[in-house]
Amino acid sequence: GESVGLHLPTLSVQEGDNSIINCAYSNSASDYFIWYKQESGKGPQFIIDIRSNMDKRQGQRVTVLLNKTVKHLSLQIAATQPGDSAVYFCAENPGGSNYKLTFGKGTLLTVNP
Amino acid sequence: EPEVTQTPSHQVTQMGQEVILRCVPISNHLYFYWYRQILGQKVEFLVSFYNNEISEKSEIFDDQFSVERPDGSNFTLKIRSTKLEDSAMYFCASRGQGSTGELFFGEGSRLTVL
Repeated sequence: GESVGLHLPTLSVQEGDNSIINCAYSNSASDYFIWYKQESGKGPQFIIDIRSNMDKRQGQRVTVLLNKTVKHLSLQIAATQPGDSAVYFCAENPGGSNYKLTFGKGTLLTVNP
Repeated sequence: EPEVTQTPSHQVTQMGQEVILRCVPISNHLYFYWYRQILGQKVEFLVSFYNNEISEKSEIFDDQFSVERPDGSNFTLKIRSTKLEDSAMYFCASRGQGSTGELFFGEGSRLTVL
């Protein structure tokens, strides 16, 4: 079936290091991808998005890379801070204007001081 | 900064009871969504709503579920007869007009069915 999944369920990094969170998707029709951050007890919070006609997009301290050849998405966080500790979800829009997002399972990022 | 608000933050109910979860989307948004997240699992799409009607729903959204926009500000999710497996965090989201797909999520309503 079509799904969005994550390679690593947990990631532990030292404060100041760069973090890379990976995501695999299988729906080749997906045209839009988005990364969300979810802190404990809160709703998903938008981080960055990318359309399928791009392969890289940068935000503040974050970069999303899209490799459509291997259906892979990654989120890079530069100079990771303790406040970055959260669960990170990738999500895809499987085509169409309704933006019914399909979420991956999530990666727990822990930043050690 | 505008935000999506949800009430209640936590509701405990007995199996078989009706539950209504309420959401106030961002005021100029036109697209509304309900998602749920069972503890420790991924966020799952339930239903999307636009122009006063359901635009899409998942297989989870069966006859026990309904949504309504009773006035210009609220967007509700009703579960008619709750089951144990309905226990989850329910997130409301809204999206503005335009090409961006960014959904703005509320803080969620935790439903516990006993």
